[in-house]
Amino acid sequence: NAGVTQTPKFQVLKTGQSMTLQCAQDMNHEYMSWYRQDPGMGLRLIHYSVGAGITDQGEVPNGYNVSRSTTEDFPLRLLSAAPSQTSVYFCASSYGLYEGQYFGPGTRLTVT
Amino acid sequence: QQQVKQSPQSLIVQKGGISIINCAYENTAFDYFPWYQQFPGKGPALLIAIRPDVSEKKEGRFTISFNKSAKQFSLHIMDSQPGDSATYFCAASMRVTGGGNKLTFGTGTQLKVEL
Repeated sequence: NAGVTQTPKFQVLKTGQSMTLQCAQDMNHEYMSWYRQDPGMGLRLIHYSVGAGITDQGEVPNGYNVSRSTTEDFPLRLLSAAPSQTSVYFCASSYGLYEGQYFGPGTRLTVT
Repeated sequence: QQQVKQSPQSLIVQKGGISIINCAYENTAFDYFPWYQQFPGKGPALLIAIRPDVSEKKEGRFTISFNKSAKQFSLHIMDSQPGDSATYFCAASMRVTGGGNKLTFGTGTQLKVEL
């Protein structure tokens, strides 16, 4: 099992550009989520999904879109990048309600 | 508004000592409390977790103490080792509509274990 994989590992964008952060898991987990990690703020939930075709907003959803067409994949789209979106992004998945979430290795994004 | 408050922000402990990290929450809808360990450049990894129907859970050198009435929980690392040096996050989870759960994280504690 590869677990949770994320691509790319690093990305630099200019303000206004769009891009998609990829996330995939091979554990057949129903629940997937995206977090951003900023110094001194812990991890904040952006969007989450409880299964294919079902997504919902987390704590900081503005500027981001998600979709979930398959169980395995949960891409995060930045529509028009802003410097405030400079962060490390983590994707996570879990099997059920009281199961721990498995995190990917992260994508470090810089918006100039 | 931070729903899960974590302290201290940083902690230095001597090898063999006990590391203690504290968290407090407000929302009584939280029903699962995991702790995550994160090394530089890596994603967080689940360390240990507790449900609110128990007051303590121990796994090896790691123990969670849970006080439901005070809405507080803490992580104790016994016999701390240099390899424990990492950032620790507490979290609290609640159920969401449609199934699954939503995690809210504390702001993290940087632990350094010195020789």
